[in-house]
Amino acid sequence: GDSVTQMEGPVTLSEEAFLTINCTYTATGYPSLFWYVQYPGEGLQLLLKATKADDKGSNKGFEATYRKETTSFHLEKGSVQVSDSAVYFCALPASGGSYIPTFGRGTSLIVHP
Amino acid sequence: GAGVSQSPSNKVTEKGKDVELRCDPISGHTALYWYRQRLGQGLEFLIYFQGNSAPDKSGLPSDRFSAERTGESVSTLTIQRTQQEDSAVYLCASSPGTGFDEQYFGPGTRLTVT
Repeated sequence: GDSVTQMEGPVTLSEEAFLTINCTYTATGYPSLFWYVQYPGEGLQLLLKATKADDKGSNKGFEATYRKETTSFHLEKGSVQVSDSAVYFCALPASGGSYIPTFGRGTSLIVHP
Repeated sequence: GAGVSQSPSNKVTEKGKDVELRCDPISGHTALYWYRQRLGQGLEFLIYFQGNSAPDKSGLPSDRFSAERTGESVSTLTIQRTQQEDSAVYLCASSPGTGFDEQYFGPGTRLTVT
């Protein structure tokens, strides 16, 4: 079945540092790929998505490129802020006969001033 | 427009009591999901509703858990005879179609069983 593997957290950075959160996936075909963000005390919200190979999703300074050759969708940001402190989830939509999306375990990001 | 809403936002209950959690999806969204998120953990799928079809209950952890949804509107998740291991945040999400779409999450209900 489909699966998503994210790097373990927490990731701790100083403000203005460069961020990478790795995500690799196993899936049949070429599904859309999502990154969700969960701020403290809130539900998840879609951060960005890519719908086909080589697409780059971007939002709020974050970017991720759909790499089918490495089955990866790594999240990057050039200069993080304290307000980016949150948990980030890589996700696959439902596929095949299942209607249940697949989420990674989440990576906690802590940004210090 | 209005997003997904959940109530209550926090619930503290004694072990053995029943609790009911409510989710109001975005109007017009046919798919509705319930997830459980234990402290510091990822999402655990509980149940999925799609329109008037029979729900997918494959994620419910025990027969103490049940959920209902009337058509494409409000859903309630009921936990009977609560146990301390039920303490978690319960998240509801809706989407316009099936799980092939992005999901829109509510803020969650934080359940604490004492």
